[in-house]
Amino acid sequence: AQSVTQLDSHVSVSEGTPVLLRCNYSSSYSPSLFWYVQHPNKGLQLLLKYTSAATLVKGINGFEAEFKKSETSFHLTKPSAHMSDAAEYFCVVTTTQGSSNTGKLIFGQGTTLQVKP
Amino acid sequence: EADIYQTPRYLVIGTGKKITLECSQTMGHDKMYWYQQDPGMELHLIHYSYGVNSTEKGDLSSESTVSRIRTEHFPLTLESARPSHTSQYLCASSEYGGYGYTFGSGTRLTVV
Repeated sequence: AQSVTQLDSHVSVSEGTPVLLRCNYSSSYSPSLFWYVQHPNKGLQLLLKYTSAATLVKGINGFEAEFKKSETSFHLTKPSAHMSDAAEYFCVVTTTQGSSNTGKLIFGQGTTLQVKP
Repeated sequence: EADIYQTPRYLVIGTGKKITLECSQTMGHDKMYWYQQDPGMELHLIHYSYGVNSTEKGDLSSESTVSRIRTEHFPLTLESARPSHTSQYLCASSEYGGYGYTFGSGTRLTVV
């Protein structure tokens, strides 16, 4: 069975400092992994996705994530936080049935990112 | 410009009422999904469809029902709303399974 765990429910950083949002996954087969962001009262927006190509994935707004199979991790990072980055971030894994991608998503519990001036 | 539309954006309704949450997409995607998100919690899949006349229940049990008569339309219906149905409902579609997901802006439902 597939699952995803976001290790921090709340992360607080100062503007201009690095951001690290941690995610560990469990999957029987090579997973597809995603990070989504949800700003207050807005829909979900895809930040980046890993689909078995390069292990370092670059996304929008300066975010990137590194797929580490040995650590079953897919942590999200950004070198310098902006006030506009304050939002809820979800780590997501696709489910598989056998070796086939079912298209269903499993969401982590979410991490609230607070950016202080 | 959104390619997947959900209406209404907000809905407050009394207990016992029947409601339908609309979801339409203009991308011709075969796969469509409904997720439920309680405040401060993760999203859970409640329904999905792989094409016209195909509907399946998701991982989280829900009293809602869905239909897929047309490719572009995937409405969700609650026959008798209860306060426990208060939540945000997000519709999504995808072209290639887990890749290329597009989410709607969601419907925030409050049942009083």
